[in-house]
Amino acid sequence: AQKITQTQPGMFVQEKEAVTLDCTYDTSDPSYGLFWYKQPSSGEMIFLIYQGSYDQQNATEGRYSLNFQKARKSANLVISASQLGDSAMYFCAMREGHLIQGAQKLVFGQGTRLTINP
Amino acid sequence: SAVISQKPSRDICQRGTSLTIQCQVDSQVTMMFWYRQQPGQSLTLIATANQGSEATYESGFVIDKFPISRPNLTFSTLTVSNMSPEDSSIYLCSVGRDGVNIQYFGAGTRLSVL
Repeated sequence: AQKITQTQPGMFVQEKEAVTLDCTYDTSDPSYGLFWYKQPSSGEMIFLIYQGSYDQQNATEGRYSLNFQKARKSANLVISASQLGDSAMYFCAMREGHLIQGAQKLVFGQGTRLTINP
Repeated sequence: SAVISQKPSRDICQRGTSLTIQCQVDSQVTMMFWYRQQPGQSLTLIATANQGSEATYESGFVIDKFPISRPNLTFSTLTVSNMSPEDSSIYLCSVGRDGVNIQYFGAGTRLSVL
């Protein structure tokens, strides 16, 4: 079964608009972590934001926020005031298990290609 | 964050040959990971490399095809052996600092096999 599902293969947004990228996950482990990465055309993977399963508040990092809805098993990325440089592939990923126990393996979704139009 | 240097950044190779990719980290880390990203696809974990022990391979990946070395806590190599065009991918190494949730990636190696 798919652990991470990103249902939007591509999205087109006007510059300065906010954009939400969807991510749903599937796990029976009570301890897990959710990540978003950005991959520009250069191929590097840039870490954006992290949400732990026990975190009480939604994570925020500058223009990025994570809309974490635990009961729905969703972890959507919200980018406020989009910029041309935000055009890239965006991947949602999950780590199952507790970090203290050495669990660090990530499982990735299929990605969403975001294009920001001027 | 972690500074990860991955070499080469890209290469074009002939089928049947092997390529070794290097990953150097700016500080000691327990675990290093190797991922493959086939064209237009997501990332798939190849193996986890712990210093001082054999690498742990994921289903579908074998040591004969992707031998990994981890001689110390700051360095690892991945070899893609007996290459075929199907091995054309981006190969990425990543590290997870002990006790830190974030996993950082190198810039990747773009491999094309002719």
